[in-house]
Formats: sequence, C-alpha cells, structure tokens
Amino acid sequence: GQQVMQIPQYQHVQEGEDFTTYCNSSTTLSNIQWYKQRPGGHPVFLIQLVKSGEVKKQKRLTFQFGEAKKNSSLHITATQTTDVGTYFCAGDSGGYQKVTFGIGTKLQVIP
Amino acid sequence: DAGITQSPRYKITETGRQVTLMCHQTWSHSYMFWYRQDLGHGLRLIYYSAAADITDKGEVPDGYVVSRSKTENFPLTLESATRSQTSVYFCASNQGGGYTFGSGTRLTVV
Repeated sequence: GQQVMQIPQYQHVQEGEDFTTYCNSSTTLSNIQWYKQRPGGHPVFLIQLVKSGEVKKQKRLTFQFGEAKKNSSLHITATQTTDVGTYFCAGDSGGYQKVTFGIGTKLQVIP
Repeated sequence: DAGITQSPRYKITETGRQVTLMCHQTWSHSYMFWYRQDLGHGLRLIYYSAAADITDKGEVPDGYVVSRSKTENFPLTLESATRSQTSVYFCASNQGGGYTFGSGTRLTVV
C-alpha cells in the first residue's frame, strides 16, 4: 500500500533558526496536506497542496509540492516558541479514504 | 473545533471488556474516520465511513467495530479490549480539503 515517509522525526532548534521537514510518498499523490499538533492536543489542518510544483505561504511557513507530486516540504523561517509541536504531512492518492499520514516531525524550539 | 466532539476524553478499562468511544459532528460531513496515535507509529487509520451505513476497514481494523446509522455519529467499539489497544484515539471528519479532528480519547487498558 501507499507509504508516506517523513524526516526528520525530531528536530531541536534555537529560537530564530529555520526549520524544515520533508515528506516523500511511494506513489504519486493527488494532493498533500499538512497538519500541526501541539503537545497534548489534536492535529489541526494547516494547508492542502494540489498542483505540481505548488508553493504556498502562511506568514513564516512555506509549503512546497514537488514537480512529480511525490514529495513535499514545510519550511519555517525564524522559529518561535509558538511553533513547538509535531508537524504531519498526509498524502492523498485519489480519495478521502486513502489519506496516509507521515510519522510526523516533532519540533522543539529552545528559547 | 467545536463541531466534532469525542467522548469520553479519558477512559481506563480492563482487559476483555467492551468499550465504546463516541464521535459526533455537527456539520453533516459525509466522511468520518477513526485513527489511533501511538509513539513511533504516527496516525493510523482504523475505520472510515463515506456516508451513513457505509463503512470500510483502514490499516489497523482488527479488534474494532464501527457503525454509522446517522450521518453525525460514528462510534468505535473495542469488542474485547487488549493492552495493545492502549492508545489515543482521534475521530475526524472531512468534506473536501483537510480533515477536522476531535480532541481525542485517551484509552488505557489494564
């Protein structure tokens, strides 16, 4: 079945440093979604990317979808303590029931 | 989000007991899902439903049963709880775009 690999699993950064998490799918995706889960909380939807090569920004967050629609990345510029949490990608290969989540990247920001 | 509610928030049960986790959504979303979250495994799909009376297995369905007689409710039942089912369970709904998750149920099987 479809697999979605996400790296790194953990990342510690100093406040103000940049952070990137990467997601790779074993199959071509129709879209990819990104979620953030704060410690003790539930995953919260951030964004969906649909088009090949798409880049979207949300303030300090930049999301990219690869040209082959098999990989994606989330980049955070100048991290803040409010960015702490686990970031998940979720790949959709063509139907709502086929979203597969990556294992997540747990981000710690050291003040 | 206030539109999808899970209960209970916390549950401790004994091995072998039947347990039902509740999920209720107020948007009439067609699709609903049950995930479990465990360290080292991320979010794994247990069951999903495309509409009332339509359900299907996900990645880890063994030991679980679901029903969906009404669009807004999607209960998950552990028929005979085992320690390996100790986990955090999330219900989610979707109507295009991203999923909306409930606050989760932390289940401990002793």
